[in-house]
Amino acid sequence: EIVLTQSPGTLSLSPGERATLSCRASQSVSSTYLAWYQQKPGQAPRLLIYGASSRATGIPDRFSGSGSGTDFTLTISRLEPEDFAVYYCQQFGSSWTFGQGTKVEIK
Amino acid sequence: QVQLQESGPGLVKPSETLSLTCTVSGDSISSSYWSWLRQPPGKGLEWIGYIYSSGSTNYNPSLKSRVTISVDTSKNQFSLKLSSVTAADTAVYYCAKGYQSWGQGTLVTVSS
Repeated sequence: EIVLTQSPGTLSLSPGERATLSCRASQSVSSTYLAWYQQKPGQAPRLLIYGASSRATGIPDRFSGSGSGTDFTLTISRLEPEDFAVYYCQQFGSSWTFGQGTKVEIK
Repeated sequence: QVQLQESGPGLVKPSETLSLTCTVSGDSISSSYWSWLRQPPGKGLEWIGYIYSSGSTNYNPSLKSRVTISVDTSKNQFSLKLSSVTAADTAVYYCAKGYQSWGQGTLVTVSS
């Protein structure tokens, strides 16, 4: 099983700041099978990024994904009030796994 | 745009079988593969398994012995059965189109 470790656990930032979230895999993951989600309280996760760097439909361009192999990054260039949420990375090779999540909170 | 709606009992007794159905609208169930995932209260996400319209399945190894996912193309629905449940199976259960579009989720509590 591929273990995904996200860091930091919590990120305290102000609106307008840049957020950088990390996802590290225990073994190499094909970029094709790496996704990022946003989840707000009481809501289902929403797909942000697939294929490590492609934005899903309707996702603002302040969200970007990068990385390859075992190290992947989600960047939010300028935080908007609606961006404060929990973010998960996911790999969906033959068996899917998720990271434990990074909470982006208002400082 | 595809919409997914989970339905089923919100309370299941320990050792019994949890059964949920996902109804798909706005898309044909023959168009993709369809997934079940869950999230225990206050915790992270866990993949349960997925099914193609052909009936081919792939399950999480940690749950495989207790999980059955089936599809009913005539009703544009797919279903989840999880047997021998315990309190650890208490979670919000989500159905999804592949990994892209998720239903709103339904809370299932395992308790006597």
